[in-house]
Amino acid sequence: AQSVTQPDIHITVSEGASLELRCNYSYGATPYLFWYVQSPGQGLQLLLKYFSGDTLVQGIKGFEAEFKRSQSSFNLRKPSVHWSDAAEYFCAVGAKGSQGNLIFGKGTKLSVKP
Amino acid sequence: DGGITQSPKYLFRKEGQNVTLSCEQNLNHDAMYWYRQDPGQGLRLIYYSQIVNDFQKGDIAEGYSVSREKKESFPLTVTSAQKNPTAFYLCASSYKGVNYGYTFGSGTRLTVV
Repeated sequence: AQSVTQPDIHITVSEGASLELRCNYSYGATPYLFWYVQSPGQGLQLLLKYFSGDTLVQGIKGFEAEFKRSQSSFNLRKPSVHWSDAAEYFCAVGAKGSQGNLIFGKGTKLSVKP
Repeated sequence: DGGITQSPKYLFRKEGQNVTLSCEQNLNHDAMYWYRQDPGQGLRLIYYSQIVNDFQKGDIAEGYSVSREKKESFPLTVTSAQKNPTAFYLCASSYKGVNYGYTFGSGTRLTVV
């Protein structure tokens, strides 16, 4: 079955520290992978996406993610977290060339300590 | 600017009443989606539509209904049959397929009292 797992429900980091949010997927086809961010009471905003090619993708707001096929992972990273990064982050996967829908993980809530 | 608009932002209804949430997009997207979001449960798909006059049930369609009479519009009705309607509802749209990801609206928070 297709699935996306975000193992960490809630993460707290200090401002200025590095961040890594984990995402593992289970998908039979070649995946398209996405990371979204949601501020409280708002919709989801696309941070970055991976379709093919370079496995390290750059996104908005200084985020990057690395696709590792052997580990079925697409972890999100940021070298130095800012207080404004506090939000909920969702990983999503879809099948290449498919008419199907995106499958979302349950999200990781990020808190930032001053 | 193109985008996807949900209205209203906040909605209060009495138990037993049907209520309709609006979702409009001017992105010329083919597909539209409705999700329900509850704390700790992520996004759960209610209904989706790939083309006008056609829609499919998602994972939690019971107690909800939709229509897709125009490409730009995909309203969601929360009926009195929905046992726990209080939630945050998100609408999204996309081109056919998942290639470009989804564009989300800013959500409607429905409270039923």
